[in-house]
Amino acid sequence: QKEVEQNSGPLSVPEGAIASLNCTYSDRGSQSFFWYRQYSGKSPELIMFIYSNGDKEDGRFTAQLNKASQYVSLLIRDSQPSDSATYLCAVRKAAGNKLTFGGGTRVLVKP
Amino acid sequence: GAVVSQHPSRVICKSGTSVKIECRSLDFQATTMFWYRQFPKQSLMLMATSNEGSKATYEQGVEKDKFLINHASLTLSTLTVTSAHPEDSSFYICSAPGARGDEQFFGPGTRLTVL
Repeated sequence: QKEVEQNSGPLSVPEGAIASLNCTYSDRGSQSFFWYRQYSGKSPELIMFIYSNGDKEDGRFTAQLNKASQYVSLLIRDSQPSDSATYLCAVRKAAGNKLTFGGGTRVLVKP
Repeated sequence: GAVVSQHPSRVICKSGTSVKIECRSLDFQATTMFWYRQFPKQSLMLMATSNEGSKATYEQGVEKDKFLINHASLTLSTLTVTSAHPEDSSFYICSAPGARGDEQFFGPGTRLTVL
């Protein structure tokens, strides 16, 4: 079992719709959860992080964490073609420690 | 946010040669830096944790004698791929945690192609 699992996609979303991405993790000791966006040929850029159960909103993005179910998700509202990228879920056990990445979900937003 | 740079951004070398990649934290100090490798259509895989003033910690399956890491100062870590072969061709990315440790700042990556 992989430590962090994501559906590889592609997830095809019409422009203006909501994209929903899921991520599960195996280590219950994980404390911090991150969503990164990566465009082809570029390094990852942080979208947001979440530590506590529940929802966290930042602009068009909402992260949801459920530690009991070992599940974290990302919602992208009003999806734009520029959101087309690979979205990486990452988990960390403690501050400053290494990140473990999932395989990424490729999102395609069609005009 | 904090800035991490990498140099070079792209390098092409012949099989058997060694290549050095630099990772710098430009406006903050980093006692720890992380080196990742990413093959096409795959995710980032952590290779090693670089520690300022001490030996790097390598992940399982990563050859420490092939991927030499030096973290000589609080702003610079280097990764040297020794005797590179075509299978080492990949995208190498470094990162450093910020002062609070809340997030990691990634460098722009180095594309290595070994002919």
